[in-house]
Amino acid sequence: AQSVSQHNHHVILSEAASLELGCNYSYGGTVNLFWYVQYPGQHLQLLLKYFSGDPLVKGIKGFEAEFIKSKFSFNLRKPSVQWSDTAEYFCAVNARNNNNDMRFGAGTRLTVKP
Amino acid sequence: DVKVTQSSRYLVKRTGEKVFLECVQDMDHENMFWYRQDPGLGLRLIYFSYDVKMKEKGDIPEGYSVSREKKERFSLILESASTNQTSMYLCASSLDPRTIYFGEGSWLTVV
Repeated sequence: AQSVSQHNHHVILSEAASLELGCNYSYGGTVNLFWYVQYPGQHLQLLLKYFSGDPLVKGIKGFEAEFIKSKFSFNLRKPSVQWSDTAEYFCAVNARNNNNDMRFGAGTRLTVKP
Repeated sequence: DVKVTQSSRYLVKRTGEKVFLECVQDMDHENMFWYRQDPGLGLRLIYFSYDVKMKEKGDIPEGYSVSREKKERFSLILESASTNQTSMYLCASSLDPRTIYFGEGSWLTVV
């Protein structure tokens, strides 16, 4: 089965700093890739997803992610974070030939200082 | 809007009790999922179901069972709750598994 690694457990940034959260997956076949966000006290929301095509994917709230197949990576980026981006971020992957099996990373907690 | 409703937001149960967590979706989705979310471990798949009466084990099915008697309802059952099952439980549903909708979660504390 596929697995997902998120290298940063807790990231602390000041407002306006740039953000990059790492995500690597292990799976030999074709995958769909996702980033979810969970704001304090709220349920998981989809930030962006990649299925095929342009490997640079733009999501909501100014986030983007780049799929680099050779590195099995799908890193999340934002050029300038805001205090309201404080949340937990989860990378997820499912295999194209087994779409029911969605696997998540351990999550990265982002704290943005005002 | 798709709605995934978990009937109990906060529960406190005693060790050894049988616990039912209910989840209902209102969009006629084929697929439903139960995850547990723990700090530092992310979301781990317990069970999923792709049709009525069908179920598949996820990564951590031990100590849990599920029931899907109707398409809109997917129940997670802890036959004999233990303290290591204290966690946040998330239900999700999807028609196309590339787009999953989550419920708000059920916080279970086992004492």
